[in-house]
Amino acid sequence: QQQVKQSPQSLIVQKGGISIINCAYENTAFDYFPWYQQFPGKGPALLIAIRPDVSEKKEGRFTISFNKSAKQFSLHIMDSQPGDSATYFCAAVNTGFQKLVFGTGTRLLVSP
Amino acid sequence: KAGVTQTPRYLIKTRGQQVTLSCSPISGHRSVSWYQQTPGQGLQFLFEYFSETQRNKGNFPGRFSGRQFSNSRSEMNVSTLELGDSALYLCASSSWDGSDVEQYFGPGTRLTVT
Repeated sequence: QQQVKQSPQSLIVQKGGISIINCAYENTAFDYFPWYQQFPGKGPALLIAIRPDVSEKKEGRFTISFNKSAKQFSLHIMDSQPGDSATYFCAAVNTGFQKLVFGTGTRLLVSP
Repeated sequence: KAGVTQTPRYLIKTRGQQVTLSCSPISGHRSVSWYQQTPGQGLQFLFEYFSETQRNKGNFPGRFSGRQFSNSRSEMNVSTLELGDSALYLCASSSWDGSDVEQYFGPGTRLTVT
């Protein structure tokens, strides 16, 4: 019940295209859902986050869509750029415990 | 504001030795969490400290321990190192003021056990 399932494992998108990464969770006690971006040799960087009372959140080219009834959320990267090539992790947390549960990661490659 | 800093960045140790990793959180942040990242197991939660108290603990053996000091800096210790402890150890800090729960990660310490 603590798992967060993430797909796909890897993704290749052409420059200018839309990258979509999906996550699903079981634990309804999760109340905060961040996405992290990680480049090789670096720590994960917080990209965008959403709470379950909101169905969508947009920051620049990054959008989170959240479906509370389906217990699913996804990251959309619009106008994908080669600089977006990185590994993306979804996560979920019950903020009463401050313990992030991470998905398995998606390696995104944006081809020029 | 300076980000989360971790020292050392790289470590090579031998099986059976022990190691101490250090983390300095973002100024003003009182919550520090530790995570282990490996290719096989991904990112896994080790423990979290807030105001010098361990509040949460993950499913790791007792060889993994930590502490937090009054200035919020935190250390993580691994005793009797095993080959499987080779990983990137990440520290994350948070202000944890109820409304602000974002966790910000440091660059990590790459531990290699030979």
